[in-house]
Amino acid sequence: DSGVTQTPKHLITATGQRVTLRCSPRSGDLSVYWYQQSLDQGLQFLIQYYNGEERAKGNILERFSAQQFPDLHSELNLSSLELGDSALYFCASSPKGSGGSIGNEQFFGPGTRLTVL
Amino acid sequence: AQSVTQLDSQVPVFEEAPVELRCNYSSSVSVYLFWYVQYPNQGLQLLLKYLSGSTLVKGINGFEAEFNKSQTSFHLRKPSVHISDTAEYFCAVTPWGSTFIFGSGTRLSVKP
Repeated sequence: DSGVTQTPKHLITATGQRVTLRCSPRSGDLSVYWYQQSLDQGLQFLIQYYNGEERAKGNILERFSAQQFPDLHSELNLSSLELGDSALYFCASSPKGSGGSIGNEQFFGPGTRLTVL
Repeated sequence: AQSVTQLDSQVPVFEEAPVELRCNYSSSVSVYLFWYVQYPNQGLQLLLKYLSGSTLVKGINGFEAEFNKSQTSFHLRKPSVHISDTAEYFCAVTPWGSTFIFGSGTRLSVKP
């Protein structure tokens, strides 16, 4: 158990819909990262937040957005869903005091499996 | 731009045999290197990491990796694998001050 929690575990929805994935980082971790894992694209970095502010952006679509709240939990919002958005979405967090810098281990949650029908 | 190449998408091996999972990276700046393991239906778990110092890094579950700067490689090895090592393994690099870049993964299948 990494200490990172993600809800829900599974989500089934229809094309065109909007969903919200939630992540609670390990206690004390200030950085949260979102990843998408699909069969054809592999593991893709989407976005990083550090202490409530966006720190880095990866291959995140404009239909997707994220935020980190004062209690440090994060939400990933996916809208106008398409079949190709079906994937595993992982959240990871980094240790406190990292200053958002890299080189620190990321602790991954169990993921949310999104199925778009 | 940085990139990570995992040369083998699948590696079948018999139990108690040695294994090497290959990882090469491309970067114009210094990087940190990681290996993660993903067991079926689970998230990723850190096996080991190289930040600086000794180029031979030991991780959990008997795995080790060697950083070779001249060959830009960070191959993962285990002298004797178990059935329980069956999983997908990801190599990742992070150029200092930047974000993680993961390889496409290597599926290790250990057969009895």
